[in-house]
Amino acid sequence: NAGVTQTPKFRVLKTGQSMTLLCAQDMNHEYMYWYRQDPGMGLRLIHYSVGEGTTAKGEVPDGYNVSRLKKQNFLLGLESAAPSQTSVYFCASSPDRVAASNQPQHFGDGTRLSIL
Amino acid sequence: GQQLNQSPQSMFIQEGEDVSMNCTSSSIFNTWLWYKQDPGEGPVLLIALYKAGELTSNGRLTAQFGITRKDSFLNISASIPSDVGIYFCAGQTSGTYKYIFGTGTRLKVLA
Repeated sequence: NAGVTQTPKFRVLKTGQSMTLLCAQDMNHEYMYWYRQDPGMGLRLIHYSVGEGTTAKGEVPDGYNVSRLKKQNFLLGLESAAPSQTSVYFCASSPDRVAASNQPQHFGDGTRLSIL
Repeated sequence: GQQLNQSPQSMFIQEGEDVSMNCTSSSIFNTWLWYKQDPGEGPVLLIALYKAGELTSNGRLTAQFGITRKDSFLNISASIPSDVGIYFCAGQTSGTYKYIFGTGTRLKVLA
């Protein structure tokens, strides 16, 4: 059981380039999330999805877009990368009902993204 | 964006000592989660709390959901070197699907 898989693990981009981060989960979870982690800031929610075909903005959505065309995949896109988007990006998923599971939110191992 | 106040930010302790950390919020939460993150990895869930006043243990770890629903505490007893890492709290408010994370407590254990 792979859980939550993020690709790629590392990436270096130049300012203005675009790229897509992929998150895949094999637990049939309804909810999926994209966070960014910066030193001293904890985890901040970028976008999230409560089911296939749905997306919603989190705390820091500007400069990012997402898509959830398939239940198991949640894509995070940077249309025009900026140095301020240098960060570690984490994807997470959770079941429909938090109280129904003792593992409410599973995380991937992260994608380290540097924008030059 | 809203974040939880987590303290202390960092701590050095001697192996065998007990550790306490806490999170406070201006919002009421219906779920509190505690995670540990090792370098280069994603957060791993330690304990989940779903009711005010709830006290839950996971081995040497014990966490409590504050009565006011605005705070939570994590205690680690008899710390060992592998307890080193960053501990995060996270809260979820009723009617939302979003988790808000604390800024983390960095724990270093001196053997």
